[in-house]
Amino acid sequence: ETGVTQSPTHLIKTRGQQVTLRCSSQSGHNTVSWYQQALGQGPQFIFQYYREEENGRGNFPPRFSGLQFPNYSSELNVNALELDDSALYLCASSLDGSSSYEQYFGPGTRLTVT
Amino acid sequence: RKEVEQDPGPFNVPEGATVAFNCTYSNSASQSFFWYRQDCRKEPKLLMSVYSSGNEDGRFTAQLNRASQYISLLIRDSKLSDSATYLCVVNDYKLSFGAGTTVTVRA
Repeated sequence: ETGVTQSPTHLIKTRGQQVTLRCSSQSGHNTVSWYQQALGQGPQFIFQYYREEENGRGNFPPRFSGLQFPNYSSELNVNALELDDSALYLCASSLDGSSSYEQYFGPGTRLTVT
Repeated sequence: RKEVEQDPGPFNVPEGATVAFNCTYSNSASQSFFWYRQDCRKEPKLLMSVYSSGNEDGRFTAQLNRASQYISLLIRDSKLSDSATYLCVVNDYKLSFGAGTTVTVRA
């Protein structure tokens, strides 16, 4: 076990709704990255938070937003859900925002949009 | 061009066989590379880092060819438990994943 937890495990939403996914990082880690993994694809980087600030963003629209809290846990918010948002959402925590440190993944939240 | 491209397979091999596959990456300045393993409907887990000089971890050998911008993974003496999807990853502060190579080891 990596010590990274995510909630909820599964979620079903309707197109147009909003969703919030949560991630608790491993103890001592100050960086959280979020990834979207569609079926049959590798995970795609959404954004990273380092010490409560966004520290880089992938090619995702603004309706994907996030937060990091003082305890370094994080939320991913998706507004105006689309069918293509159906995917496994993974968060990963690391010791620092640089590329030097291994990222540890949580078990993911499986989102289905109908 | 995708940042990381992999042969999707699937590679279907008998127990005890050797299987090898590559991935290519587009950013010539990339410095940090990994292989992750992902079991069905689970999160990716780090299998091994890839060093410039090549490295082994038990039955697994990873190689990096910077000139041609490709990374390889070789699995010797395949076990049933090696059946998984292997993800090639380039770490430029964010992880860039390939789509994965599926390996199935049969008895």
